[in-house]
Amino acid sequence: KAGVTQTPRYLIKTRGQQVTLSCSPISGHRSVSWYQQTPGQGLQFLFEYFSETQRNKGNFPGRFSGRQFSNSRSEMNVSTLELGDSALYLCASSLVVSNTEAFFGQGTRLTVV
Amino acid sequence: SQQGEEDPQALSIQEGENATMNCSYKTSINNLQWYRQNSGRGLVHLILIRSNEREKHSGRLRVTLDTSKKSSSLLITASRAADTASYFCATAGLTGGGNKLTFGTGTQLKVEL
Repeated sequence: KAGVTQTPRYLIKTRGQQVTLSCSPISGHRSVSWYQQTPGQGLQFLFEYFSETQRNKGNFPGRFSGRQFSNSRSEMNVSTLELGDSALYLCASSLVVSNTEAFFGQGTRLTVV
Repeated sequence: SQQGEEDPQALSIQEGENATMNCSYKTSINNLQWYRQNSGRGLVHLILIRSNEREKHSGRLRVTLDTSKKSSSLLITASRAADTASYFCATAGLTGGGNKLTFGTGTQLKVEL
């Protein structure tokens, strides 16, 4: 069974631009979560989707948004990029609705210049 | 925000020795999970222990959970160079939290030949 796939793996953007990251969960998994990892703040939860509905949201500004499609694939969007948005963005999928293990993708490394 | 701290921040041992990492958290949990991350890549799920469990084993891994002290430990026995990685504990909140995980600060483990 294929794992969680994130695209692209690396991305360089300029301040003020917007970016869209994609995540394909493991087949059959309907829960997709997004995390931001930085050296200073560590791993921070962004949001979680289940059956196309956002179930949880972390403490990030409205510039960070996401969505989930009917095939469970998910995208996250960051608008008006800031230097501080440079991070590793990780997507995780889970089989059931709550409190189970997460399977992570390899991440998208975003650099904002 | 992060749930808690991991101790030590960094650990260097010789191959064949045991490695112990500790994790403290702040709020009541449904379960606690341990993940491994190699060189800024995706996280790999190691083990999940539920709040009503005290100890769990998986291969060379042993995890304990003390909910009264809000702490957990991960023991890796007979370590190998391939165990070199960062290890994170992550907590899942009580019912209603979906699959949101709150991560600790991580322990960097280096196993030398």
